[in-house]
Amino acid sequence: GDSVTQMEGPVTLSEEAFLTINCTYTATGYPSLFWYVQYPGEGLQLLLKATKADDKGSNKGFEATYRKETTSFHLEKGSVQVSDSAVYFCALINSGGSNYKLTFGKGTLLTVNP
Amino acid sequence: DAGVIQSPRHEVTEMGQEVTLRCKPISGHNSLFWYRQTMMRGLELLIYFNNNVPIDDSGMPEDRFSAKMPNASFSTLKIQPSEPRDSAVYFCASSLGLAGPQVNIQYFGAGTRLSVL
Repeated sequence: GDSVTQMEGPVTLSEEAFLTINCTYTATGYPSLFWYVQYPGEGLQLLLKATKADDKGSNKGFEATYRKETTSFHLEKGSVQVSDSAVYFCALINSGGSNYKLTFGKGTLLTVNP
Repeated sequence: DAGVIQSPRHEVTEMGQEVTLRCKPISGHNSLFWYRQTMMRGLELLIYFNNNVPIDDSGMPEDRFSAKMPNASFSTLKIQPSEPRDSAVYFCASSLGLAGPQVNIQYFGAGTRLSVL
């Protein structure tokens, strides 16, 4: 079945540091890929998405590129802020068949210190 | 739009009691999802509906769990009887539809934190 593997946290960075959170996936067909963010005490919010190979999703300074050859969708940000502290989830939907489930990774906790 | 609205935000109950969680999806969305989040198991999809019809309930853990969607603007998740291991955060999400990259983005509510003592 479909699966998403993301780097385990927690990740602790200083403000203005470079961020990478690795995400790889296993899926048949051509899934859509997502990064969701969960701030403390809140629900998940869509951060960015990519729907086909070589697409780059971007939002709020975060970027991720859909790499089919490496089945990866790594999240990057050039300069993190304290307000980026949250849990980040990589996810996919593989609607090539009849399965429309959003499959999540386990999440990566990011803490940014001033 | 107000987004996906869940109630209550917090629920504390005793083992054996019935618990009902409520969700109002975003207006115009045709698909609704119920998730459970725990530290041990992460995010688990329990059930999802399309056009008010349950499509896949294979994630519902036991017969103690049931979900309904009587109309396009309301859904409930019921646990009867509740047990301490049901303690978790329960999220509801909605999307325009199921298929296609423009419609399958899921929008989440703030969740209901359930504690069963």
